[in-house]
Amino acid sequence: AQKITQTQPGMFVQEKEAVTLDCTYDTSDPSYGLFWYKQPSSGEMIFLIYQGSYDQQNATEGRYSLNFQKARKSANLVISASQLGDSAMYFCAMREGTGGSNYKLTFGKGTLLTVNP
Amino acid sequence: EAGVAQSPRYKIIEKRQSVAFWCNPISGHATLYWYQQILGQGPKLLIQFQNNGVVDDSQLPKDRFSAERLKGVDSTLKIQPAKLEDSAVYLCASSLNGHREKLFFGSGTQLSVL
Repeated sequence: AQKITQTQPGMFVQEKEAVTLDCTYDTSDPSYGLFWYKQPSSGEMIFLIYQGSYDQQNATEGRYSLNFQKARKSANLVISASQLGDSAMYFCAMREGTGGSNYKLTFGKGTLLTVNP
Repeated sequence: EAGVAQSPRYKIIEKRQSVAFWCNPISGHATLYWYQQILGQGPKLLIQFQNNGVVDDSQLPKDRFSAERLKGVDSTLKIQPAKLEDSAVYLCASSLNGHREKLFFGSGTQLSVL
């Protein structure tokens, strides 16, 4: 079974508008972390935002916020006031486990966001 | 601080040849990862090191791929012999220990197998 599901292969948004990128996850571990990364056409992976499973509030980082709905196992990324430079692939990822050495990140297939002027 | 260094940036080889990639993680990062990213897909973990020990290599094709992390610092990933389906970007990442710690990625090595 897919651990991370991103159902939107591509999304379009007008500049200055907000956009939501969907992510659902599957885990039986009570402790986990959710990450969003951005990958522009240049290829580097850029960390955007993190949400821990026990965090009481939704994470925010500047124009990025994470709409975390634990019961529904969803962790959608919201980008406010889109900019042309936001055009990129966006990956949702999950880390399971509370400790030891298991810190690997499992990635979804990604959503290609295009911001139109 | 310096980021994760990878080389080479690009590599073109013919099938059945061998190739090696090098990665130097951020200083002090105990955990090092090698991911394979096929065009249009998300990164897939190949191998994870904690210091110089292997933590997870369940998705590493061990008949052709090998990796080592001598002295718990830099790492080398090797493919021998390469197949056409190995064409991908190979990403190295490192992180501190900790559940909340993010991964820092290198620029990747783009491999084309002809």
